[in-house]
Amino acid sequence: QAVLTQPSSLSASPGASASLTCTLRSGINVGTYRIYWYQQKPGSPPQYLLRYTSDSDKQQGSGVTSRFSGSKDASANAGILLISGLQSEDEADYYCMIWRSSAWVFGGGTKLTVL
Amino acid sequence: EVQLVQSGAEVKKPGESLKISCKGSGYSFTNYWIGWVRQLPGKGLEWMGFIYPGDSDTRYSPSFQGQVTISADKSISTAYLQWSSLKASDTAMYYCARGRDCSGGTCYPEIWGQGTQLTVSS
Repeated sequence: QAVLTQPSSLSASPGASASLTCTLRSGINVGTYRIYWYQQKPGSPPQYLLRYTSDSDKQQGSGVTSRFSGSKDASANAGILLISGLQSEDEADYYCMIWRSSAWVFGGGTKLTVL
Repeated sequence: EVQLVQSGAEVKKPGESLKISCKGSGYSFTNYWIGWVRQLPGKGLEWMGFIYPGDSDTRYSPSFQGQVTISADKSISTAYLQWSSLKASDTAMYYCARGRDCSGGTCYPEIWGQGTQLTVSS
């Protein structure tokens, strides 16, 4: 079982909100990890969006709009990326990441379609 | 401006060797870890390894240990990813990325290079 599991795809309408989940493998407690989120558009490298640990420990990437925010669902053992006011330009692949055992561990990515 | 600029796309044959590069600018190259990340066609991101150019301390993902070599030349602010014998399965996009906060018990790729596309085909 992968360390981080993301749904492969998600669709949402312009102007709506989208909630992208990143579920940690059983036995790995989301509460103890910083969850990082990246956006990747076709033909471009990933871009750092934000980090979320808790409401008192979070960081927005430089120049990243506040429409992107992070949270956690402890009951689901998951990190969440919330995108509000969806725009066509938000259509992209989104990856979560944690630092674990001195390694960058990425989720498999979610392809977000805005239609 | 902090930048990582990678070398250009490569087309190679199986069995050939290759070294691709990642040149840092706009910051103190020796003070930040550089990581390499592979992206297979249509797939996700896989961490390959890191190097700390200040002392060439190098770490590898178990999946890539022995398959590639990571090095750096701090005199020219450049990190490298090297293969001694390429396979068709090495066909992928390769990114370098600067690690941030890596001395504080956490580390994340903050700044990314533009990527180097490698195609290995006979």
